[in-house]
Amino acid sequence: QLQLQESGPRLVKPSGTLSLTCTVSGDSITNSAYYWGWIRQPPGKALEWIGTVYHSGSTSYRSSLRSRITISVDTARNQFSLKLTYVTGADTAVYYCARQSSGHLDASDLWGHGTVVTVSS
Amino acid sequence: DIQMTQSPSSLSASLGDRVTVTCRASQTISTFLNWYQQKPGRAPQLLIYAASSLHGGVPSRFSGSASGTEFTLTIRNLQPEDFATYYCQQSYSAPYTFGQGTKLEIK
Repeated sequence: QLQLQESGPRLVKPSGTLSLTCTVSGDSITNSAYYWGWIRQPPGKALEWIGTVYHSGSTSYRSSLRSRITISVDTARNQFSLKLTYVTGADTAVYYCARQSSGHLDASDLWGHGTVVTVSS
Repeated sequence: DIQMTQSPSSLSASLGDRVTVTCRASQTISTFLNWYQQKPGRAPQLLIYAASSLHGGVPSRFSGSASGTEFTLTIRNLQPEDFATYYCQQSYSAPYTFGQGTKLEIK
């Protein structure tokens, strides 16, 4: 069954590193029709796109996070990951991984269930 | 960055009503405009992509249209399961910005 599943620590200390992994099931992460990305949603707020990794391995990031963020792909494990360094309370959010489909003009047509990450000491 | 201005921020309507949500892009995005529905505690789901193409399994009472940099989501004959928050997003160029959302509530 085609699905995405986020995993990683739910609690991160301020100034620490947030690390999440998204496992892709039911398709190959190397399928060139898709890109892989992360979106977050702070409590009570709107969705924020934070970054995408393309099948070439290149990346695009949210401007305000560019100095702190890395998204990468592990083809052997069929996973992609998010690392966000020097986190603060403003990084507390539900983090979603999602698939962008070139066949849908790069819309995110498949989402993980989301994982709540809290930044707190 | 391309800014997406979505209106209204909230909307009250009754079962069977027709409602529209508007999203305006700060620059041309061709038809790279998507609409998502999000219910409380759930991940967003794609409704419409390419401004007017219905994603698989989405009821035909949902429709999208475009006029220049203004995009509209229309829901006809509102059903109980349609009361949710709706977001637009441009996928024309990174960063792939979202609108601020429209919360659709039962009147």
